[in-house]
Amino acid sequence: EDKVVQSPLSLVVHEGDTVTLNCSYEVTNFRSLLWYKQEKKAPTFLFMLTSSGIEKKSGRLSSILDKKELFSILNITATQTGDSAIYLCAVAPNNAGNMLTFGGGTRLMVKP
Amino acid sequence: DTGVSQNPRHKITKRGQNVTFRCDPISEHNRLYWYRQTLGQGPEFLTYFQNEAQLEKSRLLSDRFSAERPKGSFSTLEIQRTEQGDSAMYLCASSPSGFSGANVLTFGAGSRLTVL
Repeated sequence: EDKVVQSPLSLVVHEGDTVTLNCSYEVTNFRSLLWYKQEKKAPTFLFMLTSSGIEKKSGRLSSILDKKELFSILNITATQTGDSAIYLCAVAPNNAGNMLTFGGGTRLMVKP
Repeated sequence: DTGVSQNPRHKITKRGQNVTFRCDPISEHNRLYWYRQTLGQGPEFLTYFQNEAQLEKSRLLSDRFSAERPKGSFSTLEIQRTEQGDSAMYLCASSPSGFSGANVLTFGAGSRLTVL
């Protein structure tokens, strides 16, 4: 059974801090790892990673995948209050359905 | 196209009643997924359609749950004889087919079910 574990469970920082969120996984026949941000409503897509060592970057957010050690990190620099959310990590297997298996999420709170 | 639409957004029902949720995916997406999310947890996969065919169901999906996508467009998720343990957010997502695009699910805002 595919498994995704995220840490920490929750995190409280102040604006301007840098945070690192962790995601480790076990999946049969890995295809890709995805990060989503969930505020009060729908999870919104951030990154999809398929190759080790290649950083994906979007503004203050970046992510990298290590397929040997089976983990990924999501970095957020110069955090803002708008970054407060639950960050979800998910893995997609290499099969026809590509059903994502999600971790439990990391709840980030950024204080002004 | 305004994304994935779900309704109702909130449903409060008494134990034993039946409820139905509707999902309208992004029109050009032929894959549609239902997930359930409880407080403090990540979404859990329930079922998946490619066009009108239901291709996968989780063992989490008891026989009280049924999903349809009759014309390959919108989908419904019905829960019969609801139990308090069914209280959760029911998320619908859609994606295109294809090697990489299929992985990027676009989620709706969810339908929150409270069973009293």
